[in-house]
Amino acid sequence: QVLLVQSGADVKKPGASVRVSCKASGYTFTDSGISWVRQAPGQELEWLGWISPYNGNTKYAQIVEGRVTMTTETSTNTAYMELRSLRSDDTAVYYCARDRGVIRGFDSWGQGTLVTVSS
Amino acid sequence: QSVLTQPPSASGTPGQRVTISCSGSTSNIGSNTVNWYQQLPGTAPKVLIYSNKQRPSGVPDRISGSKSGTSASLAISGLQSEDEADYYCATWDDSLSAWVFGGGTKLTVL
Repeated sequence: QVLLVQSGADVKKPGASVRVSCKASGYTFTDSGISWVRQAPGQELEWLGWISPYNGNTKYAQIVEGRVTMTTETSTNTAYMELRSLRSDDTAVYYCARDRGVIRGFDSWGQGTLVTVSS
Repeated sequence: QSVLTQPPSASGTPGQRVTISCSGSTSNIGSNTVNWYQQLPGTAPKVLIYSNKQRPSGVPDRISGSKSGTSASLAISGLQSEDEADYYCATWDDSLSAWVFGGGTKLTVL
């Protein structure tokens, strides 16, 4: 079955960077995109961007454009999301999800990674 | 302020039917299909409905979705205690070139 396993929780100071990983298994990694979604405490889901493991193409949401970089490593079936210049309002659970496109949406999700930004 | 509008809460008793609405605009729901996600407390979201009304395997047929114009709805019949969760609608927005979510609806089974 499709499985997305993310890296563990992290605590960062304001201004630092964080990198979250997402290891995929159970399907051909290059056949589907990976989207990243975050959820601040008690808040709604917020899409951060998408990457194609097939060709590395990316699309970032305006809310993080300029501070985020999404990459993939096809040799290990792993996707990464790096967020820079962290602020306190970046504190959230970050999820990766297999993105099947406009019709099927996000059909599998990672377990989530809590990133806490605090001085 | 979310791009898609959902009621913040909904409730029902076991066995009842509840519906959750999701309102958008011509650039999102009016142009693209809608997906619904269920998020149980402390867990990752899970897809319940995709392409307006399609159920992934394993989702019971007491759960259904529909779309009309710039609005969509999720219906849950035969309400059960395990349905208590947060529910989110989502779709692609052509103007923003981004996935957008509703603010979420907390369903309580009384």
